[in-house]
Amino acid sequence: IAGITQAPTSQILAAGRRMTLRCTQDMRHNAMYWYRQDLGLGLRLIHYSNTAGTTGKGEVPDGYSVSRANTDDFPLTLASAVPSQTSVYFCASSDTGYNEQFFGPGTRLTVL
Amino acid sequence: GQNIDQPTEMTATEGAIVQINCTYQTSGFNGLFWYQQHAGEAPTFLSYNVLDGLEEKGRFSSFLSRSKGYSYLLLKELQMKDSASYLCAPLDSNYQLIWGAGTKLIIKP
Repeated sequence: IAGITQAPTSQILAAGRRMTLRCTQDMRHNAMYWYRQDLGLGLRLIHYSNTAGTTGKGEVPDGYSVSRANTDDFPLTLASAVPSQTSVYFCASSDTGYNEQFFGPGTRLTVL
Repeated sequence: GQNIDQPTEMTATEGAIVQINCTYQTSGFNGLFWYQQHAGEAPTFLSYNVLDGLEEKGRFSSFLSRSKGYSYLLLKELQMKDSASYLCAPLDSNYQLIWGAGTKLIIKP
């Protein structure tokens, strides 16, 4: 049982390119989240989904989009990457909004 | 606005006790989480407090005072593997976690 997986582990991307970060969980959790973590800052919520078929915007949604077609998968897409999107991206899931969140191993993204 | 305040860095000695403080201001409150994050790794859950008081879990304890907007994480019998960042995260009225920047704890032999 993997828990929550993310792909790729790391990626270097040219500015202007489109990129999708993948996230899959096998815990049948209802809620899923995408965060970015930058040095010296706390985790910042990009988008979330409380249940399959629904999504919501977090603190820093601009430049990112998500979809939640089923319970297990929650991909994050950068339509046209910019250098300020260089960050470590974590996907997380929880059974409900007030349960502990379980995190994937992260994707280290560099946009040049 | 929403704000989390915790020390940037702390140093402690192996075998000792350390207390990491966190003060918060949030729009509504539905409990407070503490997470541990080793360098280069994902955060992992340590504790959750929703009522005032102390929750003890092995070497780790967490305290909450809702009226003061204050929490602390107490680590006893420190081990070298406890060197990590500790993240304070209250849950706001929308059930969103508000994350502090974390406290980097350095353990010295």
